[in-house]
Amino acid sequence: DQQVKQNSPSLSVQEGRISILNCDYTNSMFDYFLWYKKYPAEGPTFLISISSIKDKNEDGRFTVFLNKSAKHLSLHIVPSQPGDSAVYFCGNNQGGKLIFGQGTELSVKP
Amino acid sequence: NAGVTQTPKFRVLKTGQSMTLLCAQDMNHEYMYWYRQDPGMGLRLIHYSVGEGTTAKGEVPDGYNVSRLKKQNFLLGLESAAPSQTSVYFCASRPSWGLASMQTQYFGPGTRLLVL
Repeated sequence: DQQVKQNSPSLSVQEGRISILNCDYTNSMFDYFLWYKKYPAEGPTFLISISSIKDKNEDGRFTVFLNKSAKHLSLHIVPSQPGDSAVYFCGNNQGGKLIFGQGTELSVKP
Repeated sequence: NAGVTQTPKFRVLKTGQSMTLLCAQDMNHEYMYWYRQDPGMGLRLIHYSVGEGTTAKGEVPDGYNVSRLKKQNFLLGLESAAPSQTSVYFCASRPSWGLASMQTQYFGPGTRLLVL
């Protein structure tokens, strides 16, 4: 089975700077990766996705990069804003089920 | 549209008690999921369903049962609750049609369960 790992449990960034959240995976067979954002006491919400046929997908301040040779994806937020403070989960669609990493808690300080 | 709703929002159980968590979606989605969120463990998939009348095990299915008798509802049951099942439970749904880019999951607001 696919393992999806986020090795940094937390990240603190100054407002206006870049936030980089990282995710590693073990199996190259699967074709879609997603990032979700979660605020306290709310359900996760979809943020951005990337297909394995691409190496970059951009949506406003959010860009996801996929490095297939390293089995690594990253989410870049530029510029970071205090409202971006949340837990971010990377996930991978595996035949109908979405498997998530452990999450990274981002704190953007004014 | 209400999206994905979960009942109840919060519950306290004693060890050995049973309960059922209800998830309902009004988006006509085929796929439905139950996750639990624990500190340092992220979101772990308990069970999921790819259509009415179907269920399948996820990453951590032990101690839970599920049923999908109606397309819009997905029930998660705890037959004999244990303190290790103290967690926040999230239900999600997603469509099975359209481009892969459209097949994102929609989550409910969560149910906080405390087992004493």
